[in-house]
Amino acid sequence: AQSVAQPEDQVNVAEGNPLTVKCTYSVSGNPYLFWYVQYPNRGLQFLLKYITGDNLVKGSYGFEAEFNKSQTSFHLKKPSALVSDSALYFCAVRDGPLGKSTFGDGTTLTVKP
Amino acid sequence: DVKVTQSSRYLVKRTGEKVFLECVQDMDHENMFWYRQDPGLGLRLIYFSYDVKMKEKGDIPEGYSVSREKKERFSLILESASTNQTSMYLCASSAGTGAPDTQYFGPGTRLTVL
Repeated sequence: AQSVAQPEDQVNVAEGNPLTVKCTYSVSGNPYLFWYVQYPNRGLQFLLKYITGDNLVKGSYGFEAEFNKSQTSFHLKKPSALVSDSALYFCAVRDGPLGKSTFGDGTTLTVKP
Repeated sequence: DVKVTQSSRYLVKRTGEKVFLECVQDMDHENMFWYRQDPGLGLRLIYFSYDVKMKEKGDIPEGYSVSREKKERFSLILESASTNQTSMYLCASSAGTGAPDTQYFGPGTRLTVL
């Protein structure tokens, strides 16, 4: 069975500071990893994904994520946070190319000016 | 751009009513999904479909059924709505077979069952 954990319900950072939203996963095979963002009163939007290759993946809005196989982690990062980054972030994992994705419980990011 | 639309943004129904939630995608995607989103529980998969007239149970299918008669349309049915089905319902679609593909989400339907 596959699972994903987002250990922090809430992350608070000041504008201009770096941000990290954590995600760890468990799969039996090769993981396919995704980050999605949900802005207030809007649907989920895709941010980035890791399938294979370079462990550092760059996505939309200046976000990036680092795949760490030994730590089974896929943390979302941004060097300099914006107030407009405030949203609900979901990590998702799929065990292989087929089948369903499992989503984490979500992390609310608040960036204060 | 991929567009996934859901028939209603807000819906209020009474206990015992039969409820239909409709989802339409315009990109000829193979896969379609229904999730419910509840605070602190993230997204939980109810049902998904890889093809027309095909359906697979997700993690929480009890109390729900689905229909996919056409490729672009995936309907979620609550046969007899109950108060514990009050939630935000999200539809998603994705392109491929055999590819670790991105899901595209609709805006959601907030269902309240009284």
